[in-house]
Amino acid sequence: DAGVTQSPTHLIKTRGQHVTLRCSPISGHKSVSWYQQVLGQGPQFIFQYYEKEERGRGNFPDRFSARQFPNYSSELNVNALLLGDSALYLCASSWGDWTSETQYFGPGTRLLVL
Amino acid sequence: DQQVKQNSPSLSVQEGRISILNCDYTNSMFDYFLWYKKYPAEGPTFLISISSIKDKNEDGRFTVFLNKSAKHLSLHIVPSQPGDSAVYFCAASETGTASKLTFGTGTRLQVTL
Repeated sequence: DAGVTQSPTHLIKTRGQHVTLRCSPISGHKSVSWYQQVLGQGPQFIFQYYEKEERGRGNFPDRFSARQFPNYSSELNVNALLLGDSALYLCASSWGDWTSETQYFGPGTRLLVL
Repeated sequence: DQQVKQNSPSLSVQEGRISILNCDYTNSMFDYFLWYKKYPAEGPTFLISISSIKDKNEDGRFTVFLNKSAKHLSLHIVPSQPGDSAVYFCAASETGTASKLTFGTGTRLQVTL
């Protein structure tokens, strides 16, 4: 079975530009979460979507937005990119949205903002 | 405000010995804890988890211990193997926000021959 897939794998953008990152969850999983991992830190929660509704939002500015599609895939959008947005962006999926659900991560999209 | 802390950035252990990775948390609302392993250029891989109603969970070579009064958990790997060399992250969540994991900063484990 395919795991969580993310595209693109790498991306280079310049300050002020917009970026869209994509994620396909494991088949049958209805919950998708997004995390940002800056070098030397642990992943930091950005958003969670379950059944196409936003269920959680981390401490990130409004430049960050996301959505989930009817097939449960998801997009993360970042507007007006800053140098500090350079990071590994991870997508995770799980079947449901309750305690003890294990999240499975994709390989990530590495974003470099110049 | 770092709610999950891994105070040892790195750990070196000889093959065959026990590896002990530690994690402390400050949020008393956390009730589910996980350990993930991460290789370079890959996403985190789930290893083992524990609910706050337990104090120990085993899965093969991996055992996680939870001390709620001390807000401390540890991951024991016995015996350690070279393939265990990776960065290990401790993560926690609280009821009602299961998919919002709060991660520590990671511990790089190196298993030497």
